[in-house]
Amino acid sequence: DAKTTQPTSMDCAEGRAANLPCNHSTISGNEYVYWYRQIHSQGPQYIIHGLKNNETNEMASLIITEDRKSSTLILPHATLRDTAVYYCIVTTRGTGNQFYFGTGTSLTVIP
Amino acid sequence: DVKVTQSSRYLVKRTGEKVFLECVQDMDHENMFWYRQDPGLGLRLIYFSYDVKMKEKGDIPEGYSVSREKKERFSLILESASTNQTSMYLCASSLWQGGEQFFGPGTRLTVL
Repeated sequence: DAKTTQPTSMDCAEGRAANLPCNHSTISGNEYVYWYRQIHSQGPQYIIHGLKNNETNEMASLIITEDRKSSTLILPHATLRDTAVYYCIVTTRGTGNQFYFGTGTSLTVIP
Repeated sequence: DVKVTQSSRYLVKRTGEKVFLECVQDMDHENMFWYRQDPGLGLRLIYFSYDVKMKEKGDIPEGYSVSREKKERFSLILESASTNQTSMYLCASSLWQGGEQFFGPGTRLTVL
C-alpha cells in the first residue's frame, strides 16, 4: 500500500515555481522519500530522493520537513514539458523494499 | 546514459494465447522489476528479480510468471492471456535494492 498522500491535480503557470506537496506521516527512520514523474505514454522518470536533508539537482529541489512527515518537490521554473503525473514514494534502501506508486499528482503547466 | 528497452510498444493478443514481454537493460543492474499500470490504480508491482535466476512475487503475481536467465534480460510471461490483463506493462531496473529505478517506455498490451 502507498504510504503517501498527494493532491490529485495541480496547475502552475509557465515560468513560475511548481510546489508539489506530499504527506508521509507514518515514515520510519530508515525510509527515504523518492520523487518520480511520468509524462503521458512514457515510463516514469526518476527526479530526486532524500532522507532528511533538503536536496537539489538539475531537475528539482526536495524540501523535507524536520519531522519528516511531509515533503515538497519544487520545480523552480516550470515549463510546458513539466506537465506530467508526479509520484512521491517512501521506501527503504535495502533488501526486500518495494516502490509503491500511488496515483500521484497530475501537474498541468499553463502557458 | 541508462537504458531500459522493451520489446514492443504496442501488442494485441487473443484470449488464451501465451504472451512474452521482454525487457533488456544495458547498465549491469542487479535488480529488475515488472509493473502494470491501470487508470486510477497507479503502478502495481507484479514480480521482481534481484539476481539471475532469482525472482520474488510482488503485489499482483497471479496469472503471470517471469524468467531471468541473463542479468540484462527479464521476461514477463502471461501463460494464458485474459482480457483483464489488458494494461500498460512497465519494466524497470536498479543497481541495487532500494536504489532509484530506471524505467523502460512501456508495452501497451490489449487482449481481445
